[in-house]
Amino acid sequence: NAGVTQTPKFRILKIGQSMTLQCTQDMNHNYMYWYRQDPGMGLKLIYYSVGAGITDKGEVPNGYNVSRSTTEDFPLRLELAAPSQTSVYFCASSSGQNYGYTFGSGTRLTVV
Amino acid sequence: QQQVKQSPQSLIVQKGGISIINCAYENTAFDYFPWYQQFPGKGPALLIAIRPDVSEKKEGRFTISFNKSAKQFSLHIMDSQPGDSATYFCAATGETSGSRLTFGEGTQLTVNP
Repeated sequence: NAGVTQTPKFRILKIGQSMTLQCTQDMNHNYMYWYRQDPGMGLKLIYYSVGAGITDKGEVPNGYNVSRSTTEDFPLRLELAAPSQTSVYFCASSSGQNYGYTFGSGTRLTVV
Repeated sequence: QQQVKQSPQSLIVQKGGISIINCAYENTAFDYFPWYQQFPGKGPALLIAIRPDVSEKKEGRFTISFNKSAKQFSLHIMDSQPGDSATYFCAATGETSGSRLTFGEGTQLTVNP
């Protein structure tokens, strides 16, 4: 099993550009999450989903959007990139409440 | 109410020593406490987890100690090895949090040979 796959691994964006961070899982997990990790900081929840068609905001949703049309895919959209969105983004999935998360390997995004 | 506070921020230990990382939480509804290990350039990976019905859980060299009354839990790494050098995150969740984990700020562990 591939687990959680994130693409791209690295990306440089110019201020104001848009992009979509892709996340796919092959474990049939209902729960999926997007986190950002800034240097020396913990993981901050951006958006999460408890199943296809259901999404909700986390701690730091501003500047981001998500969709969940299938169980497998949970893309994260940045509409107008800002330097404050320079970070490492992790997608994760789980089988349900109180089960460990499986994380992807991350996307390192730089906005210049 | 949702915070998880982790300390220390960084830790340097000699090979063979004991590494201890502490976390404290506020939300008494939390009932699942995992620890994650993250190597540079990788995503966090589940290391070990505990539920509050036990005070200790051991898996190999890794032990979680849990103190429900103090609302604290800690990770002990016995016989620390250079390969244990990584960032460690504690986390917590419970019924009021749905499926969402609240993470501590992380501890960067360095084990010197």
